[in-house]
Amino acid sequence: DQQVKQNSPSLSVQEGRISILNCDYTNSMFDYFLWYKKYPAEGPTFLISISSIKDKNEDGRFTVFLNKSAKHLSLHIVPSQPGDSAVYFCAASGAEKLVFGKGTKLTVNP
Amino acid sequence: GAGVSQSPSNKVTEKGKDVELRCDPISGHTALYWYRQRLGQGLEFLIYFQGNSAPDKSGLPSDRFSAERTGESVSTLTIQRTQQEDSAVYLCASSLDRWKNTEAFFGQGTRLTVV
Repeated sequence: DQQVKQNSPSLSVQEGRISILNCDYTNSMFDYFLWYKKYPAEGPTFLISISSIKDKNEDGRFTVFLNKSAKHLSLHIVPSQPGDSAVYFCAASGAEKLVFGKGTKLTVNP
Repeated sequence: GAGVSQSPSNKVTEKGKDVELRCDPISGHTALYWYRQRLGQGLEFLIYFQGNSAPDKSGLPSDRFSAERTGESVSTLTIQRTQQEDSAVYLCASSLDRWKNTEAFFGQGTRLTVV
């Protein structure tokens, strides 16, 4: 029973364009959502988060959107850079542990 | 230390041997997670410790896997009678408090190879 789903295992984008990574969740008790980035041979690093009381949070080139009615969130990266190439994990939490999606591998082509 | 520390960084073991992986969380973090990532796969939850509560072991794949945590400090993940399918990167993460919306910080992982 996957509570957090990232349905696209991979995404390829041209440098300078927008990258949109999607995530769906099933547990309506989740109230905090996070995105992590992972490079090969390193642990995941925190990127950006959003509380369920908001529908948007922006940090530089990264913006996370939350649609509670659809139980959907997305991460927008604009403009995309080759250094953004990594695996991106969506995560959610409520009163219990963090739950991660399977990840989406983003490749930004120069 | 400033971050989550895991040791060893790499471990090669023979099938059937036991291995012990260590995680030093960030000081003061009450929550600690173990995950693993097999080649080409996503993060797989293994076990979760929160303070003095009973751990959530729902992700442990078999009874060959066990984990302990002493108070709010070091945790060890033990895999007995290792199998080739146990080969993966084992990641530990800690976070401040489950009741506060805060991110979890990951260690660099232990790459386990069972030959």
